[in-house]
Amino acid sequence: GAGVSQSPSNKVTEKGKDVELRCDPISGHTALYWYRQSLGQGLEFLIYFQGNSAPDKSGLPSDRFSAERTGGSVSTLTIQRTQQEDSAVYLCASSLEGFSGSPLHFGNGTRLTVT
Amino acid sequence: GESVGLHLPTLSVQEGDNSIINCAYSNSASDYFIWYKQESGKGPQFIIDIRSNMDKRQGQRVTVLLNKTVKHLSLQIAATQPGDSAVYFCAETNLQGAQKLVFGQGTRLTINP
Repeated sequence: GAGVSQSPSNKVTEKGKDVELRCDPISGHTALYWYRQSLGQGLEFLIYFQGNSAPDKSGLPSDRFSAERTGGSVSTLTIQRTQQEDSAVYLCASSLEGFSGSPLHFGNGTRLTVT
Repeated sequence: GESVGLHLPTLSVQEGDNSIINCAYSNSASDYFIWYKQESGKGPQFIIDIRSNMDKRQGQRVTVLLNKTVKHLSLQIAATQPGDSAVYFCAETNLQGAQKLVFGQGTRLTINP
């Protein structure tokens, strides 16, 4: 079946511009996560959506970052007024349930480069 | 298990040999652990998981060992193949508290022909 799909796969933007990254989770998965991976580093948690509950935004690095999940499915991560330190791979994952022991399934990420 | 540093630990093994990748986790309250494999240009892929009520779990060519006393997790890969070359991450969480999954730094495994 189809896995987690992210678009675009690559995005180059100028400093100060806004960007939107899209994630289509696996159908039927109620939980959706955004992580960020800087070059050669591990994964940094950003935000977590579980069903209709309020999202866990504790990992968002600044108020320039926001995310929404419409209809319990597709999610968009928005970065406003991008900075060079925002350059990273942004990974989306989904799971059947929340952090309850069902593995996360990751997309291939969006590589964001801020020039 | 927090991600730190710019340089990944590396491990090189000969094709056909067994490899062991180690991970020290940080939270003594963590009760669920996962190993992920990440190939270049792709997202992490689930390999195997283990809950804290177990100390060993086996999959196909892979075994995860958990030592809660010293907060240590290891991934053993038997009879390594070139396709095993990747970065391997351990991740931890506390299911009771529904805590977010925290990833370790990662280890780059290279299989030499």
